[in-house]
Amino acid sequence: GAVVSQHPSRVICKSGTSVKIECRSLDFQATTMFWYRQFPKQSLMLMATSNEGSKATYEQGVEKDKFLINHASLTLSTLTVTSAHPEDSSFYICSAPTGMYNSPLHFGNGTRLTVT
Amino acid sequence: AQSVAQPEDQVNVAEGNPLTVKCTYSVSGNPYLFWYVQYPNRGLQFLLKYITGDNLVKGSYGFEAEFNKSQTSFHLKKPSALVSDSALYFCAVRDHNTDKLIFGTGTRLQVFP
Repeated sequence: GAVVSQHPSRVICKSGTSVKIECRSLDFQATTMFWYRQFPKQSLMLMATSNEGSKATYEQGVEKDKFLINHASLTLSTLTVTSAHPEDSSFYICSAPTGMYNSPLHFGNGTRLTVT
Repeated sequence: AQSVAQPEDQVNVAEGNPLTVKCTYSVSGNPYLFWYVQYPNRGLQFLLKYITGDNLVKGSYGFEAEFNKSQTSFHLKKPSALVSDSALYFCAVRDHNTDKLIFGTGTRLQVFP
């Protein structure tokens, strides 16, 4: 079945540094990918939709300059958390539709970001 | 606006007993409904979906869900729970125009041996 690979699975960084998270569709092409953020014991919050070859679409309240999204190819989207703060610590998950009609979204295994 | 509600934060059930995780939806038009499961520190795994057709949908790992239009519900069920079913379960509805998935708040299922 369709596989989405997310890397790294865990990252610890210092305040003020930037962290890049990669999301790859391994066996299908994804013109669109979704980035979610999940706080402990809470649901998934959609942050943005990345679009191959064009700008990402951000949800209301998500800082574009803080969370940089790039969708460089049909199989790769990246989320960069810039100038990270401890409050950015969270679980970030990407997902992608396979493009087949009414197919479910396929999710990466998530990235646990801890900012110290 | 499309939305789903999961009224229970946690469901506890003994192994071998049937389980139900509740979900109700609010949509304009035909609902595209999904159930996902999340294990600790992992992404979400697809269990099943309802798009159209039979109201009883069968999915992975012995799970099934019943679409009930009159009650606007899509409850997840399993006839006999396993300890390994313990996880966080999310109901979701898809926005027809954007492909965005809108998630419920999640229900933690705890199956006791």
